[in-house]
Amino acid sequence: NAGVMQNPRHLVRRRGQEARLRCSPMKGHSHVYWYRQLPEEGLKFMVYLQKENIIDESGMPKERFSAEFPKEGPSILRIQQVVRGDSAAYFCASSSPMGGREYNEQFFGPGTRLTVL
Amino acid sequence: AQSVTQPDIHITVSEGASLELRCNYSYGATPYLFWYVQSPGQGLQLLLKYFSGDTLVQGIKGFEAEFKRSQSSFNLRKPSVHWSDAAEYFCAVGARSGGYQKVTFGTGTKLQVIP
Repeated sequence: NAGVMQNPRHLVRRRGQEARLRCSPMKGHSHVYWYRQLPEEGLKFMVYLQKENIIDESGMPKERFSAEFPKEGPSILRIQQVVRGDSAAYFCASSSPMGGREYNEQFFGPGTRLTVL
Repeated sequence: AQSVTQPDIHITVSEGASLELRCNYSYGATPYLFWYVQSPGQGLQLLLKYFSGDTLVQGIKGFEAEFKRSQSSFNLRKPSVHWSDAAEYFCAVGARSGGYQKVTFGTGTKLQVIP
């Protein structure tokens, strides 16, 4: 049973280019969360998605960042016109539907490390 | 909204010595608490978690943590540190909010182990 998959593991972009980060949740999981870890900081919540729906994007920068989780295929975090300040590790987590439970554990992927030159 | 404080940014211990990493949380109801470890350039590995029940939780690699509601703390301990334990440790609190869970992380504690 494969865990959460993220690719690429490392991504280098020049300023102004676009970055696309992919996340495949664990089998059976339909909820995806994206987190960003800036250098020397903890992980910060960005966005929570279910299949074809953005549920909470309160942690997403208002411009240049977008996320999707289509019916088929992985979740995508897209950063347009990247700047040096976007250099960070981006982690994806997935969980199964709540199903009436009080809490459902999130399982984390290995992360994508984005470097903007 | 929940929050997590890890007051120690860096800690240095000698190999074989005991370790305690501090974590304080803020949340109105019963929290779900986690400790993760991250080696440089790597992802997060779950060490242990507290959902309910026994307040002393055993994890992997010989780590344990104790939930103290009265102190809003969830400190991580290990009786004898190994050089391979050098890494960054994150405390996190999960809470149900608006029909799903949100996880909030502390800023981390970097552990250095000296011979």
